[in-house]
Amino acid sequence: KNEVEQSPQNLTAQEGEFITINCSYSVGISALHWLQQHPGGGIVSLFMLSSGKKKHGRLIATINIQEKHSSLHITASHPRDSAVYICAADTGGFKTIFGAGTRLFVKA
Amino acid sequence: NAGVTQTPKFQVLKTGQSMTLQCAQDMNHEYMSWYRQDPGMGLRLIHYSVGAGITDQGEVPNGYNVSRSTTEDFPLRLLSAAPSQTSVYFCASTPFPYNEQFFGPGTRLTVL
Repeated sequence: KNEVEQSPQNLTAQEGEFITINCSYSVGISALHWLQQHPGGGIVSLFMLSSGKKKHGRLIATINIQEKHSSLHITASHPRDSAVYICAADTGGFKTIFGAGTRLFVKA
Repeated sequence: NAGVTQTPKFQVLKTGQSMTLQCAQDMNHEYMSWYRQDPGMGLRLIHYSVGAGITDQGEVPNGYNVSRSTTEDFPLRLLSAAPSQTSVYFCASTPFPYNEQFFGPGTRLTVL
């Protein structure tokens, strides 16, 4: 069992839909990251959180430390949101464990 | 600022060849790392550095060497390329541990 698991692996949505991507982890963490990887391959950081909730534009990230679970929500999805979304857990000692990613395709 | 740069973008090697993947950052970050990304798997740490002159192994270090002579540069050397090293390689930097990482654009390497 992977220490950081994401679901779903693939997701197709219609433009305007509300999207949720889930991340579960089995290790102790100091922080959890959500990253976005566009088809061109570049990876950018979206959020880093250790508790509660963060919002940036149409993106919302939440984390429940007790349940070892985080979610990334996209409101009013748009085709430009099509990308791979990666969850990553900082476990301390300069060790970050990455999930395999969720591939999102938003249809116009 | 250019951020994190990597060269080359694409490379094809024959088994047994050696090469160096270049990584540079202009943000004066102390911490730099190399990852590989394989289909269906998360990014895996190859080597990392916490400052000039200091490097350490990550999860999958075999077949790779690194050095950190300056804060800016962190090259990754493949000593004798093998098909199992076919992957996309990302360099990343961060000013502090447990902080946002800044990724380079990646190098797609194919070993025949």
